[in-house]
Amino acid sequence: QLQLQESGPGLVKPSETLSLTCTVSGGSISSTSYYWAWIRQPPGKGLECIGSISYSGSTYYNPSLRSRVTISVDTSKNQFSLKLSSVTAADTAVYYCARVKEMSTMYDAFDIWGQGTMVTVSS
Amino acid sequence: DIVMTQSPDSLAVSLGERATINCKSSQSVLYSSNNKNYLGWYQQKPGQPPKLLIYWASTRESGVPDRFSGSGSGTDFTLTISSLQAEDVAVYYCQQYYSTPFTFGPGTKVDIK
Repeated sequence: QLQLQESGPGLVKPSETLSLTCTVSGGSISSTSYYWAWIRQPPGKGLECIGSISYSGSTYYNPSLRSRVTISVDTSKNQFSLKLSSVTAADTAVYYCARVKEMSTMYDAFDIWGQGTMVTVSS
Repeated sequence: DIVMTQSPDSLAVSLGERATINCKSSQSVLYSSNNKNYLGWYQQKPGQPPKLLIYWASTRESGVPDRFSGSGSGTDFTLTISSLQAEDVAVYYCQQYYSTPFTFGPGTKVDIK
């Protein structure tokens, strides 16, 4: 069945760019019309949607992060990626990638999640 | 942004008893054209990602035990665990996907009494 796996550095220095990749296995990003999302969870806190991308590259970013976020998709590698620039300690969190349940829309629940990757922002 | 609130913050229920979690949205998440409530419920156990339990406010995700049920419409929603099992100890979140940015409630922690 479909699985998602996040990867990337676990430690990022303040003011630098956080870069994460989500690899999709058990299915093709390009052969289906799903939206794919990034969600984060600071330690001991709640969940925040960062943004989403369609298989064709249409993106949505949370306005609170829009100036610093880029989400892209690489269908040849069956991956989608997150870049968050100018990070501070407030960006320390577990970062999850997830799939939107229904095809061809971002307006649905997240039905498949990666295990998450902890990113710490510290010098 | 739609603000999601949950009550209580935490609750402890005896095994086999009912657990009820409430979720309220700051504006309606009912889309009148299709009569669907854009509301989901998730379960998160320590060290694990959230797991989708309920979507469209009351539709159980495949494989989710039928002791989990969702109800409500508009701005007020409820997740009910009809007979609490030990494996249900977790934090439960509601989420609206009616309008961007999609937002989650702060979570309700469920423990065994």
